[in-house]
Amino acid sequence: GAVVSQHPSRVICKSGTSVKIECRSLDFQATTMFWYRQFPKQSLMLMATSNEGSKATYEQGVEKDKFLINHASLTLSTLTVTSAHPEDSSFYICSARRRGNYGYTFGSGTRLTVV
Amino acid sequence: RKEVEQDPGPFNVPEGATVAFNCTYSNSASQSFFWYRQDCRKEPKLLMSVYSSGNEDGRFTAQLNRASQYISLLIRDSKLSDSATYLCVVGEGAEYGNKLVFGAGTILRVKS
Repeated sequence: GAVVSQHPSRVICKSGTSVKIECRSLDFQATTMFWYRQFPKQSLMLMATSNEGSKATYEQGVEKDKFLINHASLTLSTLTVTSAHPEDSSFYICSARRRGNYGYTFGSGTRLTVV
Repeated sequence: RKEVEQDPGPFNVPEGATVAFNCTYSNSASQSFFWYRQDCRKEPKLLMSVYSSGNEDGRFTAQLNRASQYISLLIRDSKLSDSATYLCVVGEGAEYGNKLVFGAGTILRVKS
């Protein structure tokens, strides 16, 4: 079955530093990658959608200069949280979708804590 | 108004009970419908897709009413392992970016 490997699973960083989260599709080509964020006791909120080789589309209220998304290949997408602050502490999850297939495969998530 | 609304619960039920969850969605153009299960501090996992004709997978039955924009999930003979948060999820079409929109989830606690 389709697998998306997400790393790191957990990261603690100091306020003001940047953190990169990677999602790799191991056995399929992810033409679209969705990045979600989930705060405690809340739903997954879509942050942005990226298609391979093109710029990401950000949801309203998500700062594109703060959350940098790169989807340079069909098997790798990255989310970089720049100048992280404690309010960025959250659970970040990627989800990959294949061309012509309506299935969505989720990464295992990254729990970010900014201190 | 939230795009996908669910009763947050928690639903506390004994083992063996039958429990039902409901969900409503606001976008009448939504194209696909799902129930996901999320365990604490984990990624969501697909439980089942939901079709207009209704569908069943073992102890789980899902129903969709497009006219009312309403989705349901019925769990029969609840097991302790069913304890989790159940997410109602709606898939948008290409004009909306083919994205999934998640409800906030309904917490189920099954007790012995």
